[in-house]
Amino acid sequence: GAGVSQSPSNKVTEKGKDVELRCDPISGHTALYWYRQSLGQGLEFLIYFQGNSAPDKSGLPSDRFSAERTGGSVSTLTIQRTQQEDSAVYLCASSSFLIDNYGYTFGSGTRLTVV
Amino acid sequence: RKEVEQDPGPFNVPEGATVAFNCTYSNSASQSFFWYRQDCRKEPKLLMSVYSSGNEDGRFTAQLNRASQYISLLIRDSKLSDSATYLCVVEGNTPLVFGKGTRLSVIA
Repeated sequence: GAGVSQSPSNKVTEKGKDVELRCDPISGHTALYWYRQSLGQGLEFLIYFQGNSAPDKSGLPSDRFSAERTGGSVSTLTIQRTQQEDSAVYLCASSSFLIDNYGYTFGSGTRLTVV
Repeated sequence: RKEVEQDPGPFNVPEGATVAFNCTYSNSASQSFFWYRQDCRKEPKLLMSVYSSGNEDGRFTAQLNRASQYISLLIRDSKLSDSATYLCVVEGNTPLVFGKGTRLSVIA
């Protein structure tokens, strides 16, 4: 597509439930990133996919968080047994492999609220 | 030392003013640098890349000082529409590392 698409745009869930967040990157972009941004805070890196390489999971805050990327395109971020501290905006971005001077393009995010 | 540090502001400036933001980074091996803009409750958007020789895009000028590990953004003739948070972004060992941002409010 023309941009990075994320769904849902908003999600309210009860503490302890599992949630799935979806990201559809720009067509042809080989790299996909998940970040999250809590209210008034900076962007916190979560996980990175590059082509067929093993993902860089170094930013995942706990084993309740996981992500997969099927067919080198769409990615799903799953949060199990959600906690209130998981409330944040989850941002997905994609880039071509040679990012050099082009940076990342972000989707509009999923605003997750755990009640 | 944090990977990317910025003055959080807010910077409150009148229309037409010139304002400068600074940013320091800790990874001396970083090769790519960017400024992003983030409007309230929106996603970050690339404003401009930062080149070693310095670069200009209209009213915006970015500078890089590798020796001091310092990046700057200068905005001339500020407009109301420039009000946003400006994020300094530095290449790490992939992915990009984002500063927490500097908030700018341009006042009529």
